[in-house]
This record gives sequence, structure tokens and C-alpha cells, in this order.
Amino acid sequence: GESVGLHLPTLSVQEGDNSIINCAYSNSASDYFIWYKQESGKGPQFIIDIRSNMDKRQGQRVTVLLNKTVKHLSLQIAATQPGDSAVYFCAENGDYGQNFVFGPGTRLSVLP
Amino acid sequence: ETGVTQSPTHLIKTRGQQVTLRCSSQSGHNTVSWYQQALGQGPQFIFQYYREEENGRGNFPPRFSGLQFPNYSSELNVNALELDDSALYLCASSLYPTGTSNSPLHFGNGTRLTVT
Repeated sequence: GESVGLHLPTLSVQEGDNSIINCAYSNSASDYFIWYKQESGKGPQFIIDIRSNMDKRQGQRVTVLLNKTVKHLSLQIAATQPGDSAVYFCAENGDYGQNFVFGPGTRLSVLP
Repeated sequence: ETGVTQSPTHLIKTRGQQVTLRCSSQSGHNTVSWYQQALGQGPQFIFQYYREEENGRGNFPPRFSGLQFPNYSSELNVNALELDDSALYLCASSLYPTGTSNSPLHFGNGTRLTVT
């Protein structure tokens, strides 16, 4: 079945460093991907998306890279701040298109 | 612009009971999706509603049902509650059905359901 997984379940970085969160997806038919940030007690918050016709997309302090050859996504956060501490999910559109398939998430902890 | 709002925020029910969760979509969004998020896991798709009709369903039994109203708000109903139904229930709205366009989901903060 289709699935979205993450290489690192937890990631600790020093404040000010760059963070890289990785994600592997298994459905080669997926053509749209989203990164979400979820803070404790809140719903997932949209960070950035990318379509399969792109390799890279940049936002404010964040960059998403897509490697379709190896079915890999990454989220790069520049100059990580304490407010970036959260669980990060990647999601891909599913076989039927009506749903998004989420991975288990990576917890990012920013150390002072 | 008003975001996605859900009510109630927390709910405790007994096994076998029924529950109704409510969601108001973000302004301008006509599609609502419901997800179940167990503790420590990613959200799992329950179903999506568009134009008051179910527009896709995940691997959930029929005791999970929903409605969408003309103002695009939505309800999730769960009958015959089981202990494993304890989870965070997330509502998300999107500008278009996710099957027809690359339209991101915008989530509410969820309803935490505890079944005892």
C-alpha cells in the first residue's frame, strides 16, 4: 500500500543552525506534496508545498526539495529558532486524490 | 479571513455512545475533509465532503459518517464508540476538492475525543 515515511523520528539542533527533515514516499503516482508543522495542542499548520514538476521551492526561511528519482522529500529550515520546535509531517496526495497520506512525523527540538 | 474552527475542543464519551463533532470551514473554502490522528501518529483520512456529498472515503467503517451543509460547514458522526476511537479528530478545508486540483488542506485545531 501507499505510505509516507520519515528517516529520522527525532531531530535536535542548536538554535541558529540549519535543520533538514527528510521524508520518503512510496507512491510514484503522487504529484503534490506538502509539509506541515504541528505544535502541541494544535492542528497541522501548512508550511510549504511543491508539485512534482518542480525540484525545489523556497519560502520564508524554508526550502523544500523533491527528488522524484528516489522518491524523497526534504524540508530545510534556515537559522532554526525556538519557535520552530514542533512535529513536522510530510504528506502526499493519495491514489484517489481525495486524501493526503501523512507520515508518522519528525519531532524537531531546538536547543538553546 | 476566518480559519477552520472546530467544536468542541475536548469530549469524553463512554463506549457504545454516539458523538457529533462540528467544523466550520475557512472562508471561501467549499471542501471539507476529516482526519483521525492517534497519539504519536500522523493524521489518517476519514472522508471528504464537497457540495454536500461524500467525495472520497478512507478505510473507516460505516459507523463513521458525515454531513456537509450549504454554508460548507460539516459534521462528523461516530456511532457505537469503541475505545480505539480515542484520538484527535481534525477537520480541514480546502479551496477545491483535493482530487481535482493541488489545493492544500488548512486544518483546525481538532477535537480531542476520549472514549472510556
